[in-house]
Amino acid sequence: GENVEQHPSTLSVQEGDSAVIKCTYSDSASNYFPWYKQELGKRPQLIIDIRSNVGEKKDQRIAVTLNKTAKHFSLHITETQPEDSAVYFCAAWGYNFNKFYFGSGTKLNVKP
Amino acid sequence: SQTIHQWPATLVQPVGSPLSLECTVEGTSNPNLYWYRQAAGRGLQLLFYSVGIGQISSEVPQNLSASRPQDRQFILSSKKLLLSDSGFYLCAWSDGNNSPLHFGNGTRLTVT
Repeated sequence: GENVEQHPSTLSVQEGDSAVIKCTYSDSASNYFPWYKQELGKRPQLIIDIRSNVGEKKDQRIAVTLNKTAKHFSLHITETQPEDSAVYFCAAWGYNFNKFYFGSGTKLNVKP
Repeated sequence: SQTIHQWPATLVQPVGSPLSLECTVEGTSNPNLYWYRQAAGRGLQLLFYSVGIGQISSEVPQNLSASRPQDRQFILSSKKLLLSDSGFYLCAWSDGNNSPLHFGNGTRLTVT
């Protein structure tokens, strides 16, 4: 089956700095990669996603990059704000397994 | 638009008691349905998923079971709860075509 690894497990940045979270996957059949943000006590919510036919996608301060050859994808948050503080999860999905494999999560702390 | 309903929001149950958590999805047909569990401060553990009525795949051996009696209804059950069943239970749906997972608000279960 698929295996998704996520790093780092915790990340502390100063407000205004950039944050980068990286994930690797093992199954080349994976073709869809969403990112979720989970605030304390709440459900995970989709913040951005990328499909395997695209190398990069951007939405305001958030961007995701995908390297299919190396089997890794990354979340980039620029100009971080205290409200970006949360746990972020990456995931991988493919038609042949029909379920999402999640990374272990990154706790991001943005210090004001 | 699609919505997902999950209830109850919180639940406190004694060890050995039964459990029934229900989840329904509106605004879509034949969704893929998922049950996840999240221990405090931990990642997302997939418990069950279903690609159609009566079709259930179990991911982790445990004293829980799932059923899908209707197209957009997914139920998580237990005959006798254990202390280790405590956690945050999340129902989710996806249409399975390179599309994201949408989570319900979750049920916080405490087994005492």
